[in-house]
Amino acid sequence: QQQVRQSPQSLTVWEGETAILNCSYENSAFDYFPWYQQFPGEGPALLIAIRSVSDKKEDGRFTIFFNKREKKLSLHITDSQPGDSATYFCAASSNYGNEKITFGAGTKLTIKP
Amino acid sequence: GALVYQYPRRTICKSGTSMRMECQAVGFQATSVAWYRQSPQKTFELIALSTVNSAIKYEQNFTQEKFPISHPNLSFSSMTVLNAYLEDRGLYLCGARAPGGDTEVFFGKGTRLTVV
Repeated sequence: QQQVRQSPQSLTVWEGETAILNCSYENSAFDYFPWYQQFPGEGPALLIAIRSVSDKKEDGRFTIFFNKREKKLSLHITDSQPGDSATYFCAASSNYGNEKITFGAGTKLTIKP
Repeated sequence: GALVYQYPRRTICKSGTSMRMECQAVGFQATSVAWYRQSPQKTFELIALSTVNSAIKYEQNFTQEKFPISHPNLSFSSMTVLNAYLEDRGLYLCGARAPGGDTEVFFGKGTRLTVV
């Protein structure tokens, strides 16, 4: 049973457009949601994270929108750049990240110049 | 800054043999270390969570007998894949967390295991 689901599996947008990556979860105990960015051959790196007490978290071109009632969240990447091409993993944890992290299957994002 | 080094980066072993991989935290003290496997076409599977001064907690489908882990101090952890077979192929990632709540998990670049 997959506790964290991501869609789409892959996404292609043009440079300058906004990429929207979706994520949903099942466990109501999850209260910390980090997004990781992974380039080929590299380990995942934390990009941005949100706690369940917030409905929005912004960091430069990256914004997380969180809907606790629907157990959904999304990562918006504005003004997409070719360097943003990577696989993005939505993850979830409880106890504000002190418990194990459960990962989604990832969205492979390609930015076309 | 905080870094996590994993080595080797890549390794090939014969089916039925064992392979040890290491994880080194630099710039912080890793009170907890999680080992994950990223298999082809799959997401990250948590193998076990190791916290200093606590028992290592293995996830379902992973056992100490197959994946023994050592976490002797706050900067080092190692895991061995015993009797490796094709299904053990993948990228093994080490994620380390510093003391205190609400802190980032730093991942290494992983050890890619190929079994032939």
